[in-house]
This record gives sequence, structure tokens and C-alpha cells, in this order.
Amino acid sequence: GAGVSQSPSNKVTEKGKDVELRCDPISGHTALYWYRQSLGQGLEFLIYFQGNSAPDKSGLPSDRFSAERTGGSVSTLTIQRTQQEDSAVYLCASSQGLASADTQYFGPGTRLTVL
Amino acid sequence: AQSVTQLGSHVSVSEGALVLLRCNYSSSVPPYLFWYVQYPNQGLQLLLKYTSAATLVKGINGFEAEFKKSETSFHLTKPSAHMSDAAEYFCAVSRSSGSARQLTFGSGTQLTVLP
Repeated sequence: GAGVSQSPSNKVTEKGKDVELRCDPISGHTALYWYRQSLGQGLEFLIYFQGNSAPDKSGLPSDRFSAERTGGSVSTLTIQRTQQEDSAVYLCASSQGLASADTQYFGPGTRLTVL
Repeated sequence: AQSVTQLGSHVSVSEGALVLLRCNYSSSVPPYLFWYVQYPNQGLQLLLKYTSAATLVKGINGFEAEFKKSETSFHLTKPSAHMSDAAEYFCAVSRSSGSARQLTFGSGTQLTVLP
């Protein structure tokens, strides 16, 4: 079946602009995660959604970052007033259920460049 | 708190030689452990995972890893390297209990396979 898809694959923006990154999880997966991969910080957890529960936002680096998940499926990560340090690859993952042993399946990522 | 240390940011092996990528973890609760591989410009693909069943875990592409609690290690091995194994490898840990579901990643090991 189809895997996790993300769009756009690449995004170039100017400092101070807002950006939206989209993630389509695997159909039927109830858990959805956002991670950020950057040269300086490696792979970092950002936010996690599980079904209709309140998301775990503990990894968001500042209040400029937010995410939502509509209808328990598609998720959008929004970064307001982008800064150069936001440049990174943003990865989305989904898993079948609640268990932390569940495999997380990753999308190809969105490469964000802030000029 | 959890953490993962991958010793050696770059490892080079000859084609046909043994591959050994090292991972040590720290976790306040029994961990679940994962190895992911990332090919250039792609997302992460699960190689194998340890979820408290057998301590020797076999994965895809001939890779395996052994969970050693006494050494807090989960090293990845493959008896004979192929050129197609050249990629970046990430070790990750998650909690087996509690509400947190996210993965904590190591800094990655870039594997080069020499002809």
C-alpha cells in the first residue's frame, strides 16, 4: 500500500515568512509524529498525535511552531516568522497504534531552506 | 530520560567484510530499541527492532543486532557488506512504559563500502 507522503518535497522561503508542511500518513494509522533533521541537532522529535487525544507538543522548539491533525488523518506543521535556524528536513512518521513498540514509518521529508 | 550514543560518525568497510555499527543506550525504564537506515534524499526505513522478546534480532537485508542489557548496547552487524549497504544508520530508543511514544535518535553513522 501507499506509504507516508509529504509535501512539498522542497520549500525555499524568506526569513520572516510563514510556511506550512503537509503529511499524509498511512491509511488506518492512528499515531502521527513530526521530527526535524538538521546538521547541528541531528534527528529531533517535535510533536506527536494519537487518535483524538491532545497532542504531545513537548518537542516543539518555540511557539512559532504549531501543528494540527484534521479528521485523524492529514497533518500540517506550521512555522510562523521563519528564521534561518529553522532550515532543516522535516520528517513525518505514522504508526498503527498506541504502543511504543509499534514501528514508525517515515515519509521522505520536506527540505526547508530559509534564506 | 533516554539517550543513545553511536560510536563512530563514519565507518568504512571493504565489500564482503563484516559490518559493525555500535549503539549504546541509556534509559530509566526497559527500552525498546530500533535501527533505521537512511539512503540519500530519502526517509528512514526500519531495519530491525528489539521489543523485549528475543535478544538477538534479525532484520532486513541480512542485518542483525543483539540486545545486551549488561552492556546497555544494541550493536548492528552484517557478516558481509554489499555496496548497496552504503547509507546512514540511526539507532533509536523509545520507552516501554509511560505516555511518551517518540523515538530518541543517536547522531547517526555514515557507512561507506569500499570496492
